[in-house]
Amino acid sequence: AQTVTQSQPEMSVQEAETVTLSCTYDTSENNYYLFWYKQPPSRQMILVIRQEAYKQQNATENRFSVNFQKAAKSFSLKISDSQLGDTAMYFCAFMNFPLDGGATNKLIFGTGTLLAVQP
Amino acid sequence: DSGVTQTPKHLITATGQRVTLRCSPRSGDLSVYWYQQSLDQGLQFLIQYYNGEERAKGNILERFSAQQFPDLHSELNLSSLELGDSALYFCASSVDEGAPGTGELFFGEGSRLTVL
Repeated sequence: AQTVTQSQPEMSVQEAETVTLSCTYDTSENNYYLFWYKQPPSRQMILVIRQEAYKQQNATENRFSVNFQKAAKSFSLKISDSQLGDTAMYFCAFMNFPLDGGATNKLIFGTGTLLAVQP
Repeated sequence: DSGVTQTPKHLITATGQRVTLRCSPRSGDLSVYWYQQSLDQGLQFLIQYYNGEERAKGNILERFSAQQFPDLHSELNLSSLELGDSALYFCASSVDEGAPGTGELFFGEGSRLTVL
């Protein structure tokens, strides 16, 4: 079974600074996706960034980038130039994608990191 | 706006009761997923439907059931409610059931269930 671990329950960063959120996962599968989702106070889950396991290049989306270390099973999220609107709960998630079929797009989530951006 | 619509947004009911949560997926999406978010269990996958058929099952209690209708909307039925069922229930949708190059789920705003 796959598991996702986020060891930082809460983090705080000053506006315009950079912050890194940690995530590790455990799986015996070789083909999968990893995601970071953001849940602001409005509570809607918003996709921040996605990484395909077969891609060695780290994904980036504007101020958001990941450090994907497949061998270490680590998937951290870096937020540059933090903005007040980045204040939210951030969830790391895993999706298995077996090449022999049976993919279901089922997401396994970590417990989340509550990020507070301070003015 | 993700395009996924969930109703009701808030629901308060008593133990032992039954409620139905409704989800309309994004236009064109065939898969619907239900997730439960509670303080003690975190975000848990409950069940997935693809084009009307059950596709995957997670940690869904026997007191809970779901279905996806021909118009692709889905309903999650929760019966014999207990205090521990209080949670935020999310619906998500995707265009497929699992295919390369996708994997993206679009989430609704959730239905907050409070059981008193």
